[in-house]
Amino acid sequence: ETGVTQTPRHLVMGMTNKKSLKCEQHLGHNAMYWYKQSAKKPLELMFVYNFKEQTENNSVPSRFSPECPNSSHLFLHLHTLQPEDSALYLCASSQAAGAGSGNTIYFGEGSWLTVV
Amino acid sequence: DQQVKQNSPSLSVQEGRISILNCDYTNSMFDYFLWYKKYPAEGPTFLISISSIKDKNEDGRFTVFLNKSAKHLSLHIVPSQPGDSAVYFCAASGGNYGGSQGNLIFGKGTKLSVKP
Repeated sequence: ETGVTQTPRHLVMGMTNKKSLKCEQHLGHNAMYWYKQSAKKPLELMFVYNFKEQTENNSVPSRFSPECPNSSHLFLHLHTLQPEDSALYLCASSQAAGAGSGNTIYFGEGSWLTVV
Repeated sequence: DQQVKQNSPSLSVQEGRISILNCDYTNSMFDYFLWYKKYPAEGPTFLISISSIKDKNEDGRFTVFLNKSAKHLSLHIVPSQPGDSAVYFCAASGGNYGGSQGNLIFGKGTKLSVKP
């Protein structure tokens, strides 16, 4: 139990569907992140939110739309995805944005997304 | 070009012996390094970190060594246990990499198998 909870753990969606991934952190952190892990690739940062404000968009296609209503919750809205978007999507949080001495990033268990 | 490299995709070690996982980086601005452990179907779990002002950090069976001149760090696990079998990710942050201070850059991971 890392204090970062993601739902759903598994999601299968068609290319025309609209779905959302949800993340909640119980650690009192101020920064939240979305990462993507594709097969045989390093973890890739997608978005960073610091105090509910988006501070980083790592050139992510607009079919991925994040939402951060407060410092404890983060959503990733998905629409018109492609099969190559199938991956493990990881939410994470930290006390402040960006890793640094004493500011560790903690991950949720991930949401496995399959686009058919 | 990969900024953080884990050149060994896998490592097999006998129970009770030492496991040494290696990581190289190319960006001299990195000043904070972390190791994460990941079991299948779970998110990465923070293991241990080291700041560039140190060359060694120890936590129980886990020790991370940093050689800044060689841009190399390693994770030592002694003694290795079957429960240590997982994928280990090296990550680095610091400076103003990619215009975003402090975001983690991950290696591709090394799969450790500890045999009884």
